Amino acid sequence: LAKTTQPISMDSYEGQEVNITCSHNNIATNDYITWYQQFPSQGPRFIIQGYKTKVTNEVASLFIPADRKSSTLSLPRVSLSDTAVYYCLVVAAGNMLTFGGGTRLMVKP
Amino acid sequence: DGGITQSPKYLFRKEGQNVTLSCEQNLNHDAMYWYRQDPGQGLRLIYYSQIVNDFQKGDIAEGYSVSREKKESFPLTVTSAQKNPTAFYLCASSLHKLRGDRYTEAFFGQGTRLTVV
Repeated sequence: LAKTTQPISMDSYEGQEVNITCSHNNIATNDYITWYQQFPSQGPRFIIQGYKTKVTNEVASLFIPADRKSSTLSLPRVSLSDTAVYYCLVVAAGNMLTFGGGTRLMVKP
Repeated sequence: DGGITQSPKYLFRKEGQNVTLSCEQNLNHDAMYWYRQDPGQGLRLIYYSQIVNDFQKGDIAEGYSVSREKKESFPLTVTSAQKNPTAFYLCASSLHKLRGDRYTEAFFGQGTRLTVV
């Protein structure tokens, strides 16, 4: 199983761009990289998914280099409501979803 | 509305008792999961099921049991063998694909907070 490593916490200010990097050195050829967001006392929510290069949706962008050993979630112009825990997942064979500790993002006014 | 429902939201259990947490989905998803989350920690996988009548242990299955008799339902029983069951339990489902096919996102319920009294 591909294990992920991401920073435990990050601080930012409203209006800034936030980049959270995740390393996954043992990613397999058929694995996808997926990011989830979790607010306190709620279930995680899907943000974005990618396989290679760049993916963008209305919430975030995901950058994946050619070797796929890492990925970067980019949140443009964060607001206070973006304060949450962000999880990076590499989806293993059989769709088993394994979460790591996540990155606690604190957005300050 | 389609979605995944966990019940109850809060549950209190006396020591030595078994308790069952409900998880129902009407998304026609193949795969279902149970996670445990302790305060300030990430999610840890308890059990997952890719198809009816089949399930696999996750990282912390000891003291827990599950069944998957229907596609829509994946109840979790916390047994008396689980020494520290107080936690936030999350159920999720996803449209299962075989390895090599595109992965689809997982949807989570709102969770059940279990407290042992």
